[in-house]
Amino acid sequence: EAGVVQSPRYKIIEKKQPVAFWCNPISGHNTLYWYLQNLGQGPELLIRYENEEAVDDSQLPKDRFSAERLKGVDSTLKIQPAELGDSAVYLCASSLGYRTYNEQFFGPGTRLTVL
Amino acid sequence: AQSVTQPDIHITVSEGASLELRCNYSYGATPYLFWYVQSPGQGLQLLLKYFSGDTLVQGIKGFEAEFKRSQSSFNLRKPSVHWSDAAEYFCAVGGNAGNMLTFGGGTRLMVKP
Repeated sequence: EAGVVQSPRYKIIEKKQPVAFWCNPISGHNTLYWYLQNLGQGPELLIRYENEEAVDDSQLPKDRFSAERLKGVDSTLKIQPAELGDSAVYLCASSLGYRTYNEQFFGPGTRLTVL
Repeated sequence: AQSVTQPDIHITVSEGASLELRCNYSYGATPYLFWYVQSPGQGLQLLLKYFSGDTLVQGIKGFEAEFKRSQSSFNLRKPSVHWSDAAEYFCAVGGNAGNMLTFGGGTRLMVKP
């Protein structure tokens, strides 16, 4: 069974440019998460989806970040415009349900470098 | 608010030696506790979890962890470390109200031959 797929794996852009990350969760997983992982730190939740609905986006900087999960499967996270401080790894995870006992499966992440 | 502290940023052990990684948490109710491992360029993989019951939990790859409520700790242990265990290890806490995990800052494990 395929795991969580993310693309691209690496992205280098100049500041003020837009960037988008794509995530394909494990088949059948209704819950999808986007995490931000700064260098030397643990992941921090940006947004959680239950099917198509964003149910927890309190940590998403909405002035420049947006996300969508059309048809409740794939998801895209966008930054526009990117800033130097956005350089980090963006992780996507999915789980069968939103309860804590449902294991979250993580993708390999997208490493973003903003110059 | 929930939080996790991993006091050791880096740990170096010799191959074959025992390992203990420390994790202290803060949570207002009964916590759900997790240990994840992240190898370079990889996503996080779940090693083990504690929800209730026996406070000593067994995980994959020969790891175990012990929940100590009185110390608010959930330390990860392995009796004999292999070179392939070199990675970053994250402790996380969550609650039964929803799947919001709070991660610690991680401990980077290096293994000497």
